[in-house]
Amino acid sequence: DAKTTQPPSMDCAEGRAANLPCNHSTISGNEYVYWYRQIHSQGPQYIIHGLKNNETNEMASLIITEDRKSSTLILPHATLRDTAVYYCIVRVYSGYALNFGKGTSLLVTP
Amino acid sequence: EAQVTQNPRYLITVTGKKLTVTCSQNMNHEYMSWYRQDPGLGLRQIYYSMNVEVTDKGDVPEGYKVSRKEKRNFPLILESPSPNQTSLYFCASSLEGGAHEQYFGPGTRLTVT
Repeated sequence: DAKTTQPPSMDCAEGRAANLPCNHSTISGNEYVYWYRQIHSQGPQYIIHGLKNNETNEMASLIITEDRKSSTLILPHATLRDTAVYYCIVRVYSGYALNFGKGTSLLVTP
Repeated sequence: EAQVTQNPRYLITVTGKKLTVTCSQNMNHEYMSWYRQDPGLGLRQIYYSMNVEVTDKGDVPEGYKVSRKEKRNFPLILESPSPNQTSLYFCASSLEGGAHEQYFGPGTRLTVT
């Protein structure tokens, strides 16, 4: 699986959009981009995934660049409950283990 | 409610005393796995199971055993725990091995003294 690079930490004001970047310059054509988050020491939670096109669900939006070498997770209106570590993972669909890196620690402030 | 449950949530034990951490899912998922999380090392997969009676090693299987006799249950067994197995453990499941979404349990914090 391709390696990902994320900033170690970010801040965001409550109510504003949180934009979390991820670089995956060695991604191959059959690898998906996944985002999970972990609130404090709870179990990781799936957020969204994509292959080429931008994706949106009730939690977030995922923007993938045309060359697929980077992506951005957008939380449109961050709340205090969105404070968590966010993991960007690249994986072939048929792969099994999720390779969590260090992620980005997002702090949403009042 | 669809969920993955783990028991116990917290456990303090002594070196060498066999223990089992249970994991159960109510979603009829085929794939289940165990991870451990340690500071600075992130989450690492211990074992996984593609279906009943089918298990395989993950990245850090040493010192652990698993079994999959029923589809819903995937216990993690530490035959002779050691202090380096002190960690936060998560069980996860998904519809199939390559499914996009994996569901994680709440975690079991294990301390081995």
